[in-house]
Amino acid sequence: QKEVEQNSGPLSVPEGAIASLNCTYSDRVSQSFFWYRQYSGKSPELIMSIYSNGDKEDGRFTAQLNKASQYVSLLIRDSQPSDSATYLCAAYTGGFKTIFGAGTRLFVKA
Amino acid sequence: NAGVTQTPKFRILKIGQSMTLQCTQDMNHNYMYWYRQDPGMGLKLIYYSVGAGITDKGEVPNGYNVSRSTTEDFPLRLELAAPSQTSVYFCASSYGYRADLDEQYFGPGTRLTVT
Repeated sequence: QKEVEQNSGPLSVPEGAIASLNCTYSDRVSQSFFWYRQYSGKSPELIMSIYSNGDKEDGRFTAQLNKASQYVSLLIRDSQPSDSATYLCAAYTGGFKTIFGAGTRLFVKA
Repeated sequence: NAGVTQTPKFRILKIGQSMTLQCTQDMNHNYMYWYRQDPGMGLKLIYYSVGAGITDKGEVPNGYNVSRSTTEDFPLRLELAAPSQTSVYFCASSYGYRADLDEQYFGPGTRLTVT
């Protein structure tokens, strides 16, 4: 069974701090990884995608991938209350299928 | 562009009833997907389509059917509704250049309760 594992949280950080969200995946074949943000009662929206080992930065967001350890992370710098949401980690496993983790709830305290 | 639209937003079904969840996208995307999301769980793929006339099963297809007669529309049919199908259903689409690189765009979801 291919799986994507995330700590459900909630992860609580003060405003302005760095939030670190982590994800592990079981399928060594997975090559593409995605972070989606989902506000309560809303649909997921893509934040970052990463395909190569190392770091990828986009504004306040940095995605990190370590394929040897089967580990993906998302760092949010200068966290804002508007970042409070559930963050879904996803791995493309082939055959047009993407496996989603259950998500980590992030709460940024003003 | 409206993006991905879904109807209805909410629905309550009785056990054994049937219904169709509608999904339409206006982005000329080739790939479309149906997911369900149970509380505290990740999205589970029900069915997907890579183009008009082509559909295939995902992780949890039992109790559901789909069709794709046009690029824009991808309806999901529930036959003989069961309480286990109580969930939030999301339709998504992606361009279809490469499935491993595509961003998926999600509709607003349909919250379905079966009692």
